[in-house]
Amino acid sequence: ETGVTQSPTHLIKTRGQQVTLRCSSQSGHNTVSWYQQALGQGPQFIFQYYREEENGRGNFPPRFSGLQFPNYSSELNVNALELDDSALYLCASSSTGERGETQYFGPGTRLLVL
Amino acid sequence: TQLLEQSPQFLSIQEGENLTVYCNSSSVFSSLQWYRQEPGEGPVLLVTVVTGGEVKKLKRLTFQFGDARKDSSLHITAAQPGDTGLYLCAGALNAYEGSARQLTFGSGTQLTVLP
Repeated sequence: ETGVTQSPTHLIKTRGQQVTLRCSSQSGHNTVSWYQQALGQGPQFIFQYYREEENGRGNFPPRFSGLQFPNYSSELNVNALELDDSALYLCASSSTGERGETQYFGPGTRLLVL
Repeated sequence: TQLLEQSPQFLSIQEGENLTVYCNSSSVFSSLQWYRQEPGEGPVLLVTVVTGGEVKKLKRLTFQFGDARKDSSLHITAAQPGDTGLYLCAGALNAYEGSARQLTFGSGTQLTVLP
């Protein structure tokens, strides 16, 4: 176990709704990254949070937003859900400062948009 | 555009056979990680390599980072059914303090080891 937890484990929403996913990072880690993994593909980087600020973003529209809290936990919010948003959403925690920095993944939240 | 090309995409072998999975890119990575993922779960880190030419062994698994830090391979000796899973390589492009160390993932190799 990595010590990274995510909630909920599964979620079903309809198109146009909004969703909030949560992640608790591993103890001692100050950085949280979010990834989207569509079925049969590798994870795609959404964004990263470091010291409560967005610290890099992948090719995702603004309706994907996030937060990081003082305890380093994080939220991913997706507005105006689309069918293609159905995927496994993964968060990974890490501690910045090393070239070989390791990211530890949580079990993911499976989102289904109908 | 897929920065990391992984091959093969699918691999089905008999228990006891050897196999190699390849991860190739035109980009130079500061580090590269290999993960194994089972259905419905998050990726689990197997190894991180950071130095060009580096070879790391983890029991029956051997990982190599290319000299130019653009490619990597994973070799499994005497595969067992418990090795079944999705193997993902992921490269980190940024390496300075405070930068976004986003991981760029390959599309994965789905390995099935038959008893």
